[in-house]
Amino acid sequence: GEEVAQTPKHLVRGEGQKAKLYCAPIKGHSYVFWYQQVLKNEFKFLISFQNENVFDETGMPKERFSAKCLPNSPCSLEIQATKLEDSAVYFCATLERSPRTNEKLFFGSGTQLSVL
Amino acid sequence: SQKIEQNSEALNIQEGKTATLTCNYTNYSPAYLQWYRQDPGRGPVFLLLIRENEKEKRKERLKVTFDTTLKQSLFHITASQPADSATYLCAHGSGTASKLTFGTGTRLQVTL
Repeated sequence: GEEVAQTPKHLVRGEGQKAKLYCAPIKGHSYVFWYQQVLKNEFKFLISFQNENVFDETGMPKERFSAKCLPNSPCSLEIQATKLEDSAVYFCATLERSPRTNEKLFFGSGTQLSVL
Repeated sequence: SQKIEQNSEALNIQEGKTATLTCNYTNYSPAYLQWYRQDPGRGPVFLLLIRENEKEKRKERLKVTFDTTLKQSLFHITASQPADSATYLCAHGSGTASKLTFGTGTRLQVTL
């Protein structure tokens, strides 16, 4: 498709429950990024993939967070044992990476995770 | 680590005027700076990219400048319209497919 599709739009979890978020990248885009947006527009980079391989995971919390991009499946971000501080909007963004695209990221509409 | 600062949290201007938003970075010069627009409940939308060896870029009513001496990028919207009201984000990138470091954004409100 021509847009980054993120599901679900909203996710409510009790503290300690698992949360799983999905992202279908634009067809032909080989890079996928996950960002966390908390209060006041603060974007925090989590992880990026080049196809199904981890490209940069320097932003991923060491515990509880994991992510995958498998062939022919949406990418996923999973949070085990959610905490109140995980409440945020999680954005997926994709990049085509060709000389004409100017490092332009295409963002999905985000998943609003609320941990109660 | 690199830090991106957008000094104005909010900017209110009158329709027809030029809006100027500021983005400052600390430490090393980024390979490029990008500007995005974000509307409530939506993901950011790419507007412009300027590289460290470029001084100015334009796209329709938008203009971006990059001053490596001042460590600053300015983003201008000329002949502003109420439809330009949104949050504008500056982001630093260091290389190919690199993660972006975002500023906290400036919320622009254009009134009639």
